Amino acid sequence: GDSVTQMEGPVTLSEEACLTINCTYTATGYPSLFWYVQYPGEGLQLLLKATKADDKGSNKGFEATYRKETTSFHLEKGSVQVSDSAVYFCALLGSYIPTFGRGTSLIVHP
Amino acid sequence: SAVISQKPSRDICQRGTSLTIQCQVDSQVTMMFWYRQQPGQSLTLIATANQGSEATYESGFVIDKFPISRPNLTFSTLTVSNMSPEDSSIYLCSVDLSGSGANVLTFGAGSRLTVL
Repeated sequence: GDSVTQMEGPVTLSEEACLTINCTYTATGYPSLFWYVQYPGEGLQLLLKATKADDKGSNKGFEATYRKETTSFHLEKGSVQVSDSAVYFCALLGSYIPTFGRGTSLIVHP
Repeated sequence: SAVISQKPSRDICQRGTSLTIQCQVDSQVTMMFWYRQQPGQSLTLIATANQGSEATYESGFVIDKFPISRPNLTFSTLTVSNMSPEDSSIYLCSVDLSGSGANVLTFGAGSRLTVL
């Protein structure tokens, strides 16, 4: 079945540091891939998405590229801010059941 | 993309009682998903609800504990029955817009449930 594997957290960074959160997936066919963000005390919000190979999703300075050859969708940001502290979930929509990773907590210190 | 309203946003309940969570979508959707997010954990799919048919439950979840209604294409409810402290979680409603070509998962803000 479909599955998503994310790097374990927490990831702790200083403000303005570079961020990479790894995500790899297993799926049949050509799933759509997503990154969701959950800020403390809130529900999930869609951060970015990519629907086909080589697509790059981007939003709020974050970006991720759909790499079919490595079945990956790593989340990156060049300079993180304290306000980026949250839990980030990688997800895919292949057949009809959405599948989520376990989430990676990001903590950014001033 | 669709806007999803969930209520209640949070509630504190007594052991042994039941609570119904409502999910309203501002457009017609075929499939709706109910998730549970326990403290510090990822999302676990409880069931998939299609209009006009019984919900499909994932392993570990049963209809007697989590009855679901889906009376039309814009609305669904999830009831958490005979609650215990282990049911304390965030419950999330999500819709699949693949049928419209948007191919995007959209979530409600969640219902944070605390069982004493």
